[in-house]
Amino acid sequence: GAVVSQHPSRVICKSGTSVKIECRSLDFQATTMFWYRQFPKQSLMLMATSNEGSKATYEQGVEKDKFLINHASLTLSTLTVTSAHPEDSSFYICSAVVSGGQVHQYFGPGTRLLVL
Amino acid sequence: LAKTTQPISMDSYEGQEVNITCSHNNIATNDYITWYQQFPSQGPRFIIQGYKTKVTNEVASLFIPADRKSSTLSLPRVSLSDTAVYYCLVASASSGSARQLTFGSGTQLTVLP
Repeated sequence: GAVVSQHPSRVICKSGTSVKIECRSLDFQATTMFWYRQFPKQSLMLMATSNEGSKATYEQGVEKDKFLINHASLTLSTLTVTSAHPEDSSFYICSAVVSGGQVHQYFGPGTRLLVL
Repeated sequence: LAKTTQPISMDSYEGQEVNITCSHNNIATNDYITWYQQFPSQGPRFIIQGYKTKVTNEVASLFIPADRKSSTLSLPRVSLSDTAVYYCLVASASSGSARQLTFGSGTQLTVLP
């Protein structure tokens, strides 16, 4: 099946710094990628839709200037958490959609972010 | 948006068949139903997807009634390693881009020895 990778798998940073998370589709091209955030014991919350070559679409309540998304190629999307604060600590998961037809998401393994 | 409702938790014993039902009363004509499994600190893993009637693969079966307002994931002979959270997701693709995808609360399945 299709494989999606994320890097890094976990990151610890100081408050006020920026952190970049990469999401790659390894063996297929994805015009659309999604970014989710998941807090402990909770479900996944969609943050934004990342479309190759265009601006990301953010869900209500998600600050686009804080969570910068770049989808520069058909196999790579990046999420940058700018000026991270402890409340941004969470599990960030990306998914990539196989183009065309029914929606079939392939999820990455997730990135654990801890902001001190 | 097709909101989904699932039981919060279920317990089962090893070797039993487990059925998890998801309600999605306002499912749209173009929507598909997909079930995912998630272990702690991992991304969701695809289990099965269907549109109507019954779908079966090597790990599960998916039963969808004619009105498509619910679906049931069936796991045959569960083992301890099937302890996880199971999500059903109802979504479609339109105009080349995906609709908003909303995960429900999921069902925590605990398999007991």
